[in-house]
Amino acid sequence: ETGVTQTPRHLVMGMTNKKSLKCEQHLGHNAMYWYKQSAKKPLELMFVYNFKEQTENNSVPSRFSPECPNSSHLFLHLHTLQPEDSALYLCASSQERQGANTDTQYFGPGTRLTVL
Amino acid sequence: EDKVVQSPLSLVVHEGDTVTLNCSYEVTNFRSLLWYKQEKKAPTFLFMLTSSGIEKKSGRLSSILDKKELFSILNITATQTGDSAIYLCAVEYSGYALNFGKGTSLLVTP
Repeated sequence: ETGVTQTPRHLVMGMTNKKSLKCEQHLGHNAMYWYKQSAKKPLELMFVYNFKEQTENNSVPSRFSPECPNSSHLFLHLHTLQPEDSALYLCASSQERQGANTDTQYFGPGTRLTVL
Repeated sequence: EDKVVQSPLSLVVHEGDTVTLNCSYEVTNFRSLLWYKQEKKAPTFLFMLTSSGIEKKSGRLSSILDKKELFSILNITATQTGDSAIYLCAVEYSGYALNFGKGTSLLVTP
């Protein structure tokens, strides 16, 4: 148990559906991340939130819309996705200590998304 | 319960030393084990291991998997300060889910 939970674990949706992925961390961390893991591709960083503010958006298409209502919760709203968006979507969190070069990221189990 | 355990949690070595990082796992329907290096933000991929006993090598880094004893090691020889990072182990299992360990924080001092 890493302290980061994601729901749902599996999701199948059509291209016209709207759905949301949820991530919750119970570690008191200040930063949260969304990653995309496609088959045979490197882990791709999508969004970073620090103290609820979005600090990175790595050229992610607008059909992915993140939301961070507080430091413990992170959502990824999905609409009009494409089949190539099918992947494992991972959430992570880290402490983001002042002056620290790198903080360990704790990953959730991921949501396996299939777009038909 | 599926789990991935990395050891040690942190390590400080001098440049030129050789280090061995460990990752043990208990997952059902194992598919592969992956090693990542995390420096700033997104972890970067190092190795994917699916077969026992076959060493994967990339420069000074190498890794091997033992599916009978359920563990993997990541070796770094002739360490450099640029090797300082958090090394993450993740196991891919049924349903193509990923289970990450807590990482080993490596600091290489000059």
